[in-house]
Amino acid sequence: KQEVTQIPAALSVPEGENLVLNCSFTDSAIYNLQWFRQDPGKGLTSLLLIQSSQREQTSGRLNASLDKSSGRSTLYIAASQPGDSATYLCAVTIGGRGGGADGLTFGKGTHLIIQP
Amino acid sequence: NAGVMQNPRHLVRRRGQEARLRCSPVKGHSHVYWYRQLPEEGLKFMVYLQKENIIDESGMPKERFSAEFPKEGPSILRIQQVVRGDSAAYFCASSPIATVNTEAFFGQGTRLTVV
Repeated sequence: KQEVTQIPAALSVPEGENLVLNCSFTDSAIYNLQWFRQDPGKGLTSLLLIQSSQREQTSGRLNASLDKSSGRSTLYIAASQPGDSATYLCAVTIGGRGGGADGLTFGKGTHLIIQP
Repeated sequence: NAGVMQNPRHLVRRRGQEARLRCSPVKGHSHVYWYRQLPEEGLKFMVYLQKENIIDESGMPKERFSAEFPKEGPSILRIQQVVRGDSAAYFCASSPIATVNTEAFFGQGTRLTVV
């Protein structure tokens, strides 16, 4: 059974710092890994999707890496801003019966606070 | 270009009542997924539907829960005789096709509180 773990559970850093969020998964047989952002009381916004054949993806100040063989991914946030405060979720796609997004397995998230 | 719309955003029900949660997918998307987020837990898959068909309900509790996605109108997640343990955020996602590398778009969720 696939399990996704995110460390740390919570993180508070001053504005401007670079930071790394960690995600690990127990079964390396994944199709892809996604990082989402969840704002309080709101839905999920997809940030980056890394396919299993890729090693990293970049979008603006965000960089996500994937080491499938070791079951690890990191999300690197450069020059953090107060607007980055949110919960960051990691999810792997293991392939559901339907073959679509029914196969997402989520971690519990890292609650990030950027202090102004 | 509206995204996935869920309503209501917040729902309070007394134990034993029925809860109906609605999800309108992104226009043109025919694949809908329901996920549940219990307090302090990650999102867990419940059910995957296409128009008028349930494709995968492996994450749905066997009793009291049902889902539909009719030909016309939104997808409905129905919880009968709610209990306190049903209190959670219920998220709906949609996608245009069903492949593992297709991004799914999530709605803002319905937060159900059972009192």
